[in-house]
Amino acid sequence: GAVVSQHPSRVICKSGTSVKIECRSLDFQATTMFWYRQFPKQSLMLMATSNEGSKATYEQGVEKDKFLINHASLTLSTLTVTSAHPEDSSFYICSALAPGTSGGAGTDTQYFGPGTRLTVL
Amino acid sequence: AQTVTQSQPEMSVQEAETVTLSCTYDTSESDYYLFWYKQPPSRQMILVIRQEAYKQQNATENRFSVNFQKAAKSFSLKISDSQLGDAAMYFCAYRTSWNFGNEKLTFGTGTRLTIIP
Repeated sequence: GAVVSQHPSRVICKSGTSVKIECRSLDFQATTMFWYRQFPKQSLMLMATSNEGSKATYEQGVEKDKFLINHASLTLSTLTVTSAHPEDSSFYICSALAPGTSGGAGTDTQYFGPGTRLTVL
Repeated sequence: AQTVTQSQPEMSVQEAETVTLSCTYDTSESDYYLFWYKQPPSRQMILVIRQEAYKQQNATENRFSVNFQKAAKSFSLKISDSQLGDAAMYFCAYRTSWNFGNEKLTFGTGTRLTIIP
């Protein structure tokens, strides 16, 4: 199956610093990637949709200047948490949209990375 | 907007037995896709099974099968011959069938499944 990696898996940083998280599709090209945030014992909350070569589309309530997304190639999307604060501590998960084998919209499937645990002190 | 509801926060099943996880959704669309994802303690989300709404036949993947009731907007997951490795959080998800730009998933709140040895 399609493989998506995330780096780093864990990061601890001081308040006020910026942190970059990478999401890579290893065996397929992904024009679309997604970034989620997951709080303990809760569901995934979509933060933004990242399209290669264009600006990301953010969900309502997500600060664009706080969470910078760059999708510079068909296999890499990055999420930068700028001026991180303790309330940004969370589990961040990316996913990449793999094209379906039979073609056509809807046959493609989201495959998820293993997640990144961010702790801001 | 579409919503997905999982009314069972926790479920448990004896090893080798069968368990069914419930999911209902609300939509005004006639064509869409439904998914079950599994999130084990490693927190890696894994696709378990998917169902296209236009298909009447229920999807199956080895020990996993769904009961898709379109009129009732119900999409339950049945796990047969439960194994210890099935212990995880299970999320039901909905996706519109529209073309490019509408691939995002709407997730339910999840059901934590415990397997009793």
